[in-house]
Amino acid sequence: AQTVTQSQPEMSVQEAETVTLSCTYDTSESDYYLFWYKQPPSRQMILVIRQEAYKQQNATENRFSVNFQKAAKSFSLKISDSQLGDAAMYFCAYRSARELGNEKLTFGTGTRLTIIP
Amino acid sequence: GAVVSQHPSRVICKSGTSVKIECRSLDFQATTMFWYRQFPKQSLMLMATSNEGSKATYEQGVEKDKFLINHASLTLSTLTVTSAHPEDSSFYICSARRGRSGYGYTFGSGTRLTVV
Repeated sequence: AQTVTQSQPEMSVQEAETVTLSCTYDTSESDYYLFWYKQPPSRQMILVIRQEAYKQQNATENRFSVNFQKAAKSFSLKISDSQLGDAAMYFCAYRSARELGNEKLTFGTGTRLTIIP
Repeated sequence: GAVVSQHPSRVICKSGTSVKIECRSLDFQATTMFWYRQFPKQSLMLMATSNEGSKATYEQGVEKDKFLINHASLTLSTLTVTSAHPEDSSFYICSARRGRSGYGYTFGSGTRLTVV
């Protein structure tokens, strides 16, 4: 079974600075998808960024980028120019690329990010 | 964009009663719906997966007779907590998958259930 590990329960960063959240995973599959989700105090899960394992290029979405190291099974999220609205719980998630129709997301335990004004 | 509407957002019920939570995909067909439970300051725990028109697949340790899931149409899935007890108090979230691609997991806004 796949597992996702987030070793940083809490992180804090000064506003406008850069912060990196760590995520490692364990899988025997070669093709899969990785995600970072944000859960603000409203509890609404919001997709931040997504990476396909077959793509070597790291995904980027504006201030958010990932460092995907497939061999090391590492998938870290970098947030640049941190803003107060980035304060949230961040979850790393894994999904098999198999297309059987019911593939589920496996979530890490989350990292609570605090932005210091 | 894809929207999943989840209702109610909060519900308080008496111990022993049943509560139904609805998730509707508003602008797409949800081929698969996932139901999660989230305890305070913890991650999402998958409870069950349902495909339209078929029985839900429950995760190990989840009581299927207590948590009834119905996915009768491509736009509606319901979770009914039967004979609720205080230990069932939690935050429940649904997630709908669009089509069969690697993308497109859209989450509902969650339901906070309190059993008194």
